[in-house]
Amino acid sequence: DTEVTQTPKHLVMGMTNKKSLKCEQHMGHRAMYWYKQKAKKPPELMFVYSYEKLSINESVPSRFSPECPNSSLLNLHLHALQPEDSALYLCASSLLQGQTYEQYFGPGTRLTVT
Amino acid sequence: AQSVTQLGSHVSVSEGALVLLRCNYSSSVPPYLFWYVQYPNQGLQLLLKYTSAATLVKGINGFEAEFKKSETSFHLTKPSAHMSDAAEYFCAVSGDAGNNRKLIWGLGTSLAVNP
Repeated sequence: DTEVTQTPKHLVMGMTNKKSLKCEQHMGHRAMYWYKQKAKKPPELMFVYSYEKLSINESVPSRFSPECPNSSLLNLHLHALQPEDSALYLCASSLLQGQTYEQYFGPGTRLTVT
Repeated sequence: AQSVTQLGSHVSVSEGALVLLRCNYSSSVPPYLFWYVQYPNQGLQLLLKYTSAATLVKGINGFEAEFKKSETSFHLTKPSAHMSDAAEYFCAVSGDAGNNRKLIWGLGTSLAVNP
């Protein structure tokens, strides 16, 4: 099974709200990723977790806060977002973090900030 | 610096025609290359990957790609297009240590299939 699940599918939030995105995989992968994707653009890497530890933060604003509670779960906590943060947020996982390991993507959460 | 260039942001083919999506890369180290497809309102799905085992790589849904080092290319082909192939296609190269080993993406090619 090469499935990465994400909830919710859609999220509308105001600029003062706090919400969380959830990602789950049961493939035994030890690397997990958050991407942001604008329409008709490639995904932009935000964070990478390797063995439940934050490995890469691509200078993402602090209003985005990632969390990896265990090897199967990845959360992205959102607070005080801006309208320009509206995008498709994709989670991905790979067996390990490294050049040869393909990433498997979830279906994404479509976020709208009003 | 590593980079990926996808020639043609939009490609249109007739159903049953050959699909050719172009990808050229720049890398100072042996590259690991990937093709992903994104259907409307969905996540990305891995079509195939090149990791130096064989230059002709077969993927899912009848797609294949050929790695040509001399041309620094990794073009994606499918002999006969189906309507269901209409989607956005992204080529990516796996970054080296200087790029945090993250995927470096092309800008994508939108494939339209006409009946």
